[in-house]
Amino acid sequence: NAGVTQTPKFQVLKTGQSMTLQCAQDMNHEYMSWYRQDPGMGLRLIHYSVGAGITDQGEVPNGYNVSRSTTEDFPLRLLSAAPSQTSVYFCASSRTGTGNQPQHFGDGTRLSIL
Amino acid sequence: AQSVTQLDSQVPVFEEAPVELRCNYSSSVSVYLFWYVQYPNQGLQLLLKYLSGSTLVKGINGFEAEFNKSQTSFHLRKPSVHISDTAEYFCAVSDRDDKIIFGKGTRLHILP
Repeated sequence: NAGVTQTPKFQVLKTGQSMTLQCAQDMNHEYMSWYRQDPGMGLRLIHYSVGAGITDQGEVPNGYNVSRSTTEDFPLRLLSAAPSQTSVYFCASSRTGTGNQPQHFGDGTRLSIL
Repeated sequence: AQSVTQLDSQVPVFEEAPVELRCNYSSSVSVYLFWYVQYPNQGLQLLLKYLSGSTLVKGINGFEAEFNKSQTSFHLRKPSVHISDTAEYFCAVSDRDDKIIFGKGTRLHILP
């Protein structure tokens, strides 16, 4: 099973550039989410989706955009990259959005903004 | 709203010694509790979860955790650690309708 697949694994951008981080899951999960992980900060929720066509903001949504056109895919877009967005980004999915579901994580995308 | 506090950012422990990683949470309603492990350069993996029932929960790799409602704690324990347990450990809390909230993590260092 592939589980949750994130691409690319590494990326370097210049300030002001835009890019899309890809996330795909093959478990038919309804719930998908994006986190960023920074040293000493744990994981912070950026955006999430409870199903195709439905997205909502998390704790730190500014500067990011998402869409959910299919159950499988949940891309994260950086509109105009800033150095403060240098981080490790994780995509996660779960069967439903209810709180008792464990999250399945991808291996992350390490993003550096120069 | 819930919150999670992991009291130690780093825990050094000798190989084959016992370890306890502490986690306290705050919530006004019934909660679900999780521990996740993150090995270097990987995503998080579920270690164990408490949803209801027995307060002692056993997980993978010999870890267990005890839910203590009166102390609002969910500490993670292992009786004898191995070098392969070197990782970062995250406690997380959610309730029935809310998003999952992660603690800031505890790095476990195994000393030879």
